[in-house]
Amino acid sequence: GAGVSQSPRYKVAKRGQDVALRCDPISGHVSLFWYQQALGQGPEFLTYFQNEAQLDKSGLPSDRFFAERPEGSVSTLKIQRTQQEDSAVYLCASSEPEAGQFFGPGTRLTVL
Amino acid sequence: AQSVSQHNHHVILSEAASLELGCNYSYGGTVNLFWYVQYPGQHLQLLLKYFSGDPLVKGIKGFEAEFIKSKFSFNLRKPSVQWSDTAEYFCAVNPWGGADGLTFGKGTHLIIQP
Repeated sequence: GAGVSQSPRYKVAKRGQDVALRCDPISGHVSLFWYQQALGQGPEFLTYFQNEAQLDKSGLPSDRFFAERPEGSVSTLKIQRTQQEDSAVYLCASSEPEAGQFFGPGTRLTVL
Repeated sequence: AQSVSQHNHHVILSEAASLELGCNYSYGGTVNLFWYVQYPGQHLQLLLKYFSGDPLVKGIKGFEAEFIKSKFSFNLRKPSVQWSDTAEYFCAVNPWGGADGLTFGKGTHLIIQP
């Protein structure tokens, strides 16, 4: 596709449920990033992949958060045992060298 | 670790006014600098970026930004704004040379009155 796509666009989960958020990067982009954006705030970095290798996961807020990119293309962000404080928009971005990061539309997660 | 400060959280201007949005960063080394825009209901879009070279960078839709290294600043400017520029603007930074995650400011909500 022409841009980064994410699914689902909206997700409502009950507290304690597990969720999986998908990101399809721009074809051929080696680098893929996940961010969390709380209401009224700028995005905050969660984790970064280069191809299938997860090179930085320093931003993941707890061990309930897990990301993977097994074939170096599509990525999944999984949140186990969701809590209310996990409610946010989760953004995915992909990039190639010297080009800046291109963002998807995000997944709005609401935990009840 | 780097940080980004955007001084104005809300800015209201009339059409045709000139715009300058402030951005300062804190980091001990060389950085890449970015401005992103988020129009209502749309996703983040890259306005412009600075990696090296000419510190005056021109982006899309008539926007430009100037990197002043001595002031750790990367302010966004537009000489004459339009109603369609109403949006949220984010300044971001990452360490130069790497493909690291971006550190964003909190954003500036710009409203242009017709």
